[in-house]
Amino acid sequence: DAGITQSPRYKITETGRQVTLMCHQTWSHSYMFWYRQDLGHGLRLIYYSAAADITDKGEVPDGYVVSRSKTENFPLTLESATRSQTSVYFCASSESRTSYPYFGPGTRLTVT
Amino acid sequence: AQSVTQPDIHITVSEGASLELRCNYSYGATPYLFWYVQSPGQGLQLLLKYFSGDTLVQGIKGFEAEFKRSQSSFNLRKPSVHWSDAAEYFCAVAENTGGFKTIFGAGTRLFVKA
Repeated sequence: DAGITQSPRYKITETGRQVTLMCHQTWSHSYMFWYRQDLGHGLRLIYYSAAADITDKGEVPDGYVVSRSKTENFPLTLESATRSQTSVYFCASSESRTSYPYFGPGTRLTVT
Repeated sequence: AQSVTQPDIHITVSEGASLELRCNYSYGATPYLFWYVQSPGQGLQLLLKYFSGDTLVQGIKGFEAEFKRSQSSFNLRKPSVHWSDAAEYFCAVAENTGGFKTIFGAGTRLFVKA
């Protein structure tokens, strides 16, 4: 399907486990982003990428790893999940700096 | 670093009344500004954006926003609120040079009274 998709949509994992959230976009957008949404904090930028193999930290990068070997994919890995990483994670993409981010449907992650 | 402040955590208005949601930003240059809406359990939908030009921006669903450089504000308005407008609204600012990070405010939840 065209657009931006995230998988899984829901995930429950245990503290200390590694988990990867997937993001895929079909528009060949240059820019991709990962946000987490928590009550009282709005959306906070975790990492972003300006192109394949170019990534940079956002506001809250600690505990997360990203990669972007292909333009269309931007996976987010929690190396050792903690309860504080329980959140809703949104992936987004934009065509250029003069475009606005399109958001995926989100992944609800619970760390027990 | 840029930042966005939405001073109102929640607002309640009566159906048919006018609405103004406040947004203040901090950024050294002219920013790119956005308003998004999020219905419960849903993703984010863009309402409108400002990049340059006319400071009064029209968006979808009857919303508009005005960029005021002197006040570092980008307030969202709607002349007559409908019950379906109940949602959370996010203001966002993006750099327009170098990296392109989009930073969001904490959001304002809108409740609509019948």
